[in-house]
Amino acid sequence: GEDVEQSLFLSVREGDSSVINCTYTDSSSTYLYWYKQEPGAGLQLLTYIFSNMDMKQDQRLTVLLNKKDKHLSLRIADTQTGDSAIYFCAESFYGGSQGNLIFGKGTKLSVKP
Amino acid sequence: GAVVSQHPSWVICKSGTSVKIECRSLDFQATTMFWYRQFPKQSLMLMATSNEGSKATYEQGVEKDKFLINHASLTLSTLTVTSAHPEDSSFYICSASGTPQSSYNEQFFGPGTRLTVL
Repeated sequence: GEDVEQSLFLSVREGDSSVINCTYTDSSSTYLYWYKQEPGAGLQLLTYIFSNMDMKQDQRLTVLLNKKDKHLSLRIADTQTGDSAIYFCAESFYGGSQGNLIFGKGTKLSVKP
Repeated sequence: GAVVSQHPSWVICKSGTSVKIECRSLDFQATTMFWYRQFPKQSLMLMATSNEGSKATYEQGVEKDKFLINHASLTLSTLTVTSAHPEDSSFYICSASGTPQSSYNEQFFGPGTRLTVL
């Protein structure tokens, strides 16, 4: 079955870059996503990448996808204290509104001033 | 952007009672709504998928008679936890996708409902 793995914790200093990694097992995924969850809140879509792309950059966020190794990463440049949250990697397999998301367990990012 | 609300944001109930959680899409038509359950320090687990006007599709292991889902309109889905027990205590999150469907299958998430069963 599908499985998405992430490291559970990451701690960085304010101003440094953060890199959050994710591995997945099913190569038939169509889209891969990064979501951010702040304490007690729902999930906010940060960015996504189509499975035929290698890289996507959106302001401070850079997503790298290595399909051969089934590895996805999210780099946050100039990390701020407001970036402290849990980051979930997710993949989807189907088109249309029936899309089913498989989530990793989430990486808790702590940013120290 | 698309906004999804949930009500209530938190609820405490006695064991054996039923609790209803509402999920609303505020500015778009949600043809499909999803209900997730999240345990502390765990990932989101999909419970069921519902399309407006039809029965929900439950994931394996989710009791459909315990977790009643109704998606009666394009802006509202409800999850009723019947005869709740302490093991049902969790964070319940809904999401919605709709029209026009985004090219990347985006689901818009509600803020979640914290259920505590005493």
